[in-house]
Amino acid sequence: KAGVTQTPRYLIKTRGQQVTLSCSPISGHRSVSWYQQTPGQGLQFLFEYFSETQRNKGNFPGRFSGRQFSNSRSEMNVSTLELGDSALYLCASSFQLAGSYEQYFGPGTRLTVT
Amino acid sequence: AQTVTQSQPEMSVQEAETVTLSCTYDTSESDYYLFWYKQPPSRQMILVIRQEAYKQQNATENRFSVNFQKAAKSFSLKISDSQLGDAAMYFCAYSGGATNKLIFGTGTLLAVQP
Repeated sequence: KAGVTQTPRYLIKTRGQQVTLSCSPISGHRSVSWYQQTPGQGLQFLFEYFSETQRNKGNFPGRFSGRQFSNSRSEMNVSTLELGDSALYLCASSFQLAGSYEQYFGPGTRLTVT
Repeated sequence: AQTVTQSQPEMSVQEAETVTLSCTYDTSESDYYLFWYKQPPSRQMILVIRQEAYKQQNATENRFSVNFQKAAKSFSLKISDSQLGDAAMYFCAYSGGATNKLIFGTGTLLAVQP
């Protein structure tokens, strides 16, 4: 079956703009999590969605938001972009909200803010 | 709060030799999972191995095995018969409770010398 897909794969934005990233989970998976990866801060958890509800949120400012649709696809939005938002954004999907189920990661979206 | 520590930023191993990557963690939870993920230059995050905290037996997956010392909160990864394709960044990660939220260590960059 198809893996987790993320679009776009690469994105260049200007400071102050906003951006929306998309994640399509593996068919049948209802849990989607988002992570930010930077050289300085490493991998940090952003949010977790299950059945259209945000179940968990990381320590990020309110400029970072997300949502999940009824087909389990998820989007994350970053408003008023800052240079420090440049990062690889990874999403992961899983069948259930439990560590006993494997999470599958997408290839990531590389966001560059200039 | 849960934390994951990887004290070896870089490691090197000769092809066909064995290498051990270290990881320690801190948690007050009794039900949790530990993972090793591999991230090659493509940036695709791949699950290498998983350990359930309630299982005393160490997990193994082909050439990969873990040494899980629950009392010491230690979770090391042993790679036997190292191959060139094993060269990657390796992340230790923790997940606890009814969540898929992963807490990652800072990673160990593994080089495999031919």
